[in-house]
Amino acid sequence: QKEVEQNSGPLSVPEGAIASLNCTYSDRGSQSFFWYRQYSGKSPELIMSIYSNGDKEDGRFTAQLNKASQYVSLLIRDSQPSDSATYLCAATGFQKLVFGTGTRLLVSP
Amino acid sequence: DAGVIQSPRHEVTEMGQEVTLRCKPISGHNSLFWYRQTMMRGLELLIYFNNNVPIDDSGMPEDRFSAKMPNASFSTLKIQPSEPRDSAVYFCASSPWQGSGNSPLHFGNGTRLTVT
Repeated sequence: QKEVEQNSGPLSVPEGAIASLNCTYSDRGSQSFFWYRQYSGKSPELIMSIYSNGDKEDGRFTAQLNKASQYVSLLIRDSQPSDSATYLCAATGFQKLVFGTGTRLLVSP
Repeated sequence: DAGVIQSPRHEVTEMGQEVTLRCKPISGHNSLFWYRQTMMRGLELLIYFNNNVPIDDSGMPEDRFSAKMPNASFSTLKIQPSEPRDSAVYFCASSPWQGSGNSPLHFGNGTRLTVT
């Protein structure tokens, strides 16, 4: 079992819709969770971090964490074609960050 | 802030040759990570350093891979001899050390390695 699992997609949504990206993790000791966005041919860039149960909002992005279910999600409201990218979920165990393989999001105009 | 700097951006080499990838972390960051990214396996952690000391190298695939961090501003990842299955994008990342692993990573632009 991979430590961090994501559906590879692609997830296709029309412009203006809400995109919902999901992630599960296996290490119950994980304390910190991150969402990175990676455009094709580029390096990952951090877009959200979340450390406690519940929701965290930043602009059009909302991260949700449920430690009991070992589940992390990212909602993107009012999706734009520029949001088309691969979204990587990452979780920390002890001093180490482990990534999922990413979900490819396609936002059509 | 110049960000994490990696070189070269692209490397094409023949099987059996030695390859050296270089990384300069963000000044003041105490942790440095080397990742490998492929379509099949995603981002895999190879090794990470804290204060120039290797902490976990369990991700290094085999003895052909070695990494060093001689000082706080420089690290190398060496593959000797290289094989076609080593073809991937290699990322270096750094973070300010906070002990609990709460620090997000700052990635370099990566080195795309092709071994023929």
